[in-house]
Amino acid sequence: DAGVIQSPRHEVTEMGQEVTLRCKPISGHNSLFWYRQTMMRGLELLIYFNNNVPIDDSGMPEDRFSAKMPNASFSTLKIQPSEPRDSAVYFCASSFAPMNTEAFFGQGTRLTVV
Amino acid sequence: QQQVKQSPQSLIVQKGGISIINCAYENTAFDYFPWYQQFPGKGPALLIAIRPDVSEKKEGRFTISFNKSAKQFSLHIMDSQPGDSATYFCAASGVTGGGNKLTFGTGTQLKVEL
Repeated sequence: DAGVIQSPRHEVTEMGQEVTLRCKPISGHNSLFWYRQTMMRGLELLIYFNNNVPIDDSGMPEDRFSAKMPNASFSTLKIQPSEPRDSAVYFCASSFAPMNTEAFFGQGTRLTVV
Repeated sequence: QQQVKQSPQSLIVQKGGISIINCAYENTAFDYFPWYQQFPGKGPALLIAIRPDVSEKKEGRFTISFNKSAKQFSLHIMDSQPGDSATYFCAASGVTGGGNKLTFGTGTQLKVEL
């Protein structure tokens, strides 16, 4: 398996633009997580899906952020409109719950909003 | 609310020395305690994990010590090597909504010097 695949790897956008980050989890995994990593706040869980259903979105910063998982093999995280403070590395991770709790992370998307 | 507290924030160890990173948690429902290792430009990867029914787990040079009554756990890296230089995250999870939500500590940047 190729692991968790995220795209794009790098994204530079202007403030106010819409940004969409994409994730393909490991085949067979039924839990998917979106994390944001910054120097100041470390790794923050934004949202967590189980069997394609959002279970906990309490970490989503505000209404500008939204996430979807239309099927077991694809998820998106959208920021609209983007702001400079959204600049961070966004990670997607997947796992098979509840038996195997190891979460496998993608390479991340480095987002820069100017 | 920070549910997993990690220290120190950074650590410098001489080659061959012992690196020790500590974590404390608050939620007694947590039942899985992994440590993740992250190299620059990469996503975090599972290093070693423990469940609360044991007090210690060792894999090669890496050992987790777990104190359930104190709600603390720590990572010990024996014979530290320059290749161990990375950021280490402790985490904790428990079953939530049918899956497992990982909450991370703030990370420790380890540098192993020659």
